[in-house]
Amino acid sequence: SQQGEEDPQALSIQEGENATMNCSYKTSINNLQWYRQNSGRGLVHLILIRSNEREKHSGRLRVTLDTSKKSSSLLITASRAADTASYFCATDSSGNTGKLIFGQGTTLQVKP
Amino acid sequence: DADVTQTPRNRITKTGKRIMLECSQTKGHDRMYWYRQDPGLGLRLIYYSFDVKDINKGEISDGYSVSRQAQAKFSLSLESAIPNQTALYFCATSDPAQGAADTQYFGPGTRLTVL
Repeated sequence: SQQGEEDPQALSIQEGENATMNCSYKTSINNLQWYRQNSGRGLVHLILIRSNEREKHSGRLRVTLDTSKKSSSLLITASRAADTASYFCATDSSGNTGKLIFGQGTTLQVKP
Repeated sequence: DADVTQTPRNRITKTGKRIMLECSQTKGHDRMYWYRQDPGLGLRLIYYSFDVKDINKGEISDGYSVSRQAQAKFSLSLESAIPNQTALYFCATSDPAQGAADTQYFGPGTRLTVL
């Protein structure tokens, strides 16, 4: 079963705009991660936020985590055409096993 | 050279055939994983291994088997392929001991079509 549900399923914006994707999950977590996948390729890790953290930044990425609502958001600022990809949240609910459960993903299209 | 490689990259086979997908890594990680990806369903875990003597079933292991031949190699087998095993298959590695706890590193994927 899927742990994470992502919203929206698809998002289309113009270059320079901000993109926000949301992830909700069901069980308590140790950490939540965001990955990017370019069409038909392997996933690439973007950022990890631990359960005791509320916000984290990496370049143009900002991730928030609200454990009381069991939700996270990924904000990409000043988007570029190269940001076009699918974005997945993944949760680690099982202690230090590295076993992740992935959401269904948000497909982002950034139009030049 | 890529850290996580998968062979073959594409495979078309017929129902009932035995198929092996191979994964090799040069990252020195102990943990390896096999996932399948279907449109609209994200990634689902098939099997995972924490070292050469440790194999664990994931969410959807039925119809699959694995072999951890060495720290660097983790193979996925479909003993008798069926059409609903048509999917994109990914291998991944991780090693919390190397600092970025639980971050997984993915191979490029194998696109498998079962006719």
